[in-house]
Amino acid sequence: ILNVEQSPQSLHVQEGDSTNFTCSFPSSNFYALHWYRWETAKSPEALFVMTLNGDEKKKGRISATLNTKEGYSYLYIKGSQPEDSATYLCASHTGNQFYFGTGTSLTVIP
Amino acid sequence: GAVVSQHPSRVICKSGTSVKIECRSLDFQATTMFWYRQFPKQSLMLMATSNEGSKATYEQGVEKDKFLINHASLTLSTLTVTSAHPEDSSFYICSATTGARWAYEQYFGPGTRLTVT
Repeated sequence: ILNVEQSPQSLHVQEGDSTNFTCSFPSSNFYALHWYRWETAKSPEALFVMTLNGDEKKKGRISATLNTKEGYSYLYIKGSQPEDSATYLCASHTGNQFYFGTGTSLTVIP
Repeated sequence: GAVVSQHPSRVICKSGTSVKIECRSLDFQATTMFWYRQFPKQSLMLMATSNEGSKATYEQGVEKDKFLINHASLTLSTLTVTSAHPEDSSFYICSATTGARWAYEQYFGPGTRLTVT
């Protein structure tokens, strides 16, 4: 079993603040790193897939970076809005299976 | 596009009974579907992988006779928890892929909360 860790476990920020969280994964047997956004009672929504060391992806106010050599990915949210409140999951894909972190629960306070 | 539905969203059953959970790909053909389980404060753990028309592949430690998986068509997979016990209470979630470049395309259902009393 691959150990994928996310930190922090939960986060409360004020509307307008920028924030970031971390996903750590074993750098061996790496194939791809996925980020998902998961709102309560809804399906996890794919945000980014990254495969190459140094990859940077952006979607609106959300962006992500990848370092496969040291085994981490950062997710950034610029100018957080209440609708950004969700759990953000990362998953490391080895080519055979996805290994998920426990998620970072973000609450944006209006 | 790429919507996956899952039913029921919540189910409460008595110990010893069986419960069936359905996972459907609504607007695409899913050659492969995955079933995950999540216990409180833990990560999603893969239970099994099912390919249309063939037997599911179960992860180590998952009892195939207890968690019956059927992937009878390209749009439907079912998970049946047989003779459920309170320790089976958990959150079950499915995902589906088109099979092509599946590393990049995994679409999730909204999950099913199972409570066994």
